[in-house]
Amino acid sequence: KNQVEQSPQSLIILEGKNCTLQCNYTVSPFSNLRWYKQDTGRGPVSLTIMTFSENTKSNGRYTATLDADTKQSSLHITASQLSDSASYICVVTRGAGKSTFGDGTTLTVKP
Amino acid sequence: SQTIHQWPATLVQPVGSPLSLECTVEGTSNPNLYWYRQAAGRGLQLLFYSVGIGQISSEVPQNLSASRPQDRQFILSSKKLLLSDSGFYLCAWQRRTGISTDTQYFGPGTRLTVL
Repeated sequence: KNQVEQSPQSLIILEGKNCTLQCNYTVSPFSNLRWYKQDTGRGPVSLTIMTFSENTKSNGRYTATLDADTKQSSLHITASQLSDSASYICVVTRGAGKSTFGDGTTLTVKP
Repeated sequence: SQTIHQWPATLVQPVGSPLSLECTVEGTSNPNLYWYRQAAGRGLQLLFYSVGIGQISSEVPQNLSASRPQDRQFILSSKKLLLSDSGFYLCAWQRRTGISTDTQYFGPGTRLTVL
């Protein structure tokens, strides 16, 4: 079964601290993996996208990694800011173009 | 630049009433269009996608339907709403290049509450 599991479900950190979000998937055949940021009550916005041959991709303070062998990805946020408070969604797309969405990790950054 | 609009932003409807949500895209042609639903605290569930006018594919059986009367217009409808239809509905577009790495761009969403 094609699944995407994200952990933790929720996370609270202090402003300025780093954090790492995890995404494990069983989707096959693999085409690409995306991380989205979704502010409360808004549509998701793409942060990074990685194909099979890419094992790291950065977008400002966001760095995503991909281990296609173990089917794991992580999103690392450096020097967190209050505006980083949001839900982070991992999406894995199969070779046929069908995407499977994780349930997301809700991040709260406190001052 | 491309923009995607959804309306209404919020909607409260009684059980059994009809539904019509609209999504329009500007600044691009021949996009792939998608309707998603997001339950509280859950991930996005793909409901429908369309690769062209009048072409609709349904991902899950339900009492909702979708239509694409124009190239950049996507409509989600129901004849009779159920309580379980409550959720956050998102429309998205994607360039029709056949490249799976193309990003999906999401609209602002419609919050539907069925009472």
